[in-house]
Amino acid sequence: AQSVTQPDIHITVSEGASLELRCNYSYGATPYLFWYVQSPGQGLQLLLKYFSGDTLVQGIKGFEAEFKRSQSSFNLRKPSVHWSDAAEYFCAVELMEYGNKLVFGAGTILRVKS
Amino acid sequence: NAGVTQTPKFQVLKTGQSMTLQCAQDMNHEYMSWYRQDPGMGLRLIHYSVGAGITDQGEVPNGYNVSRSTTEDFPLRLLSAAPSQTSVYFCASSSYSTGHTEAFFGQGTRLTVV
Repeated sequence: AQSVTQPDIHITVSEGASLELRCNYSYGATPYLFWYVQSPGQGLQLLLKYFSGDTLVQGIKGFEAEFKRSQSSFNLRKPSVHWSDAAEYFCAVELMEYGNKLVFGAGTILRVKS
Repeated sequence: NAGVTQTPKFQVLKTGQSMTLQCAQDMNHEYMSWYRQDPGMGLRLIHYSVGAGITDQGEVPNGYNVSRSTTEDFPLRLLSAAPSQTSVYFCASSSYSTGHTEAFFGQGTRLTVV
């Protein structure tokens, strides 16, 4: 079955440090991949998406992600984390069933130390 | 531009009670969906609709009904609430204009069934 794995449930980084959140997917065809961010008490906001083409995609708030087909990964990165980045991050893959539904990973909670 | 609006934000129900979670979008999107979010499980698709008058089941539809009489509205009904339905519910809408799902989420409804 198609799935999305986010191996890290919690991550803590210091403000100003770099960040990488891991995401692995299991999907036979060319995947369409997304990263969403959820601030406490809020809905999900799209950070970036990968459909095709350049494997390094840029998103909002200074985030980027790299698609690596050989590793079935779509890791999210940011060179310098700000305290306002503390949130929960979800990786998702679009499946061409259930009307192009999104399958989400379990999420990674990011804590930022000052 | 309000985007996706969900009401109520919080709700407490007794076991066996029924209620309707409201969802409205003002972006003229064809696709709308309901997800539930449980700790450590990401978001799971309950029901979805690809247009007015068309609905279908997602991964976890049991205990929930939906209807789509207009493009804008997609209410979710709990027929007889159970403690297992305690969760955070998100409504999302997407446009097929790019051929892929780019979902916009509401702020969520936190439901507790006692």
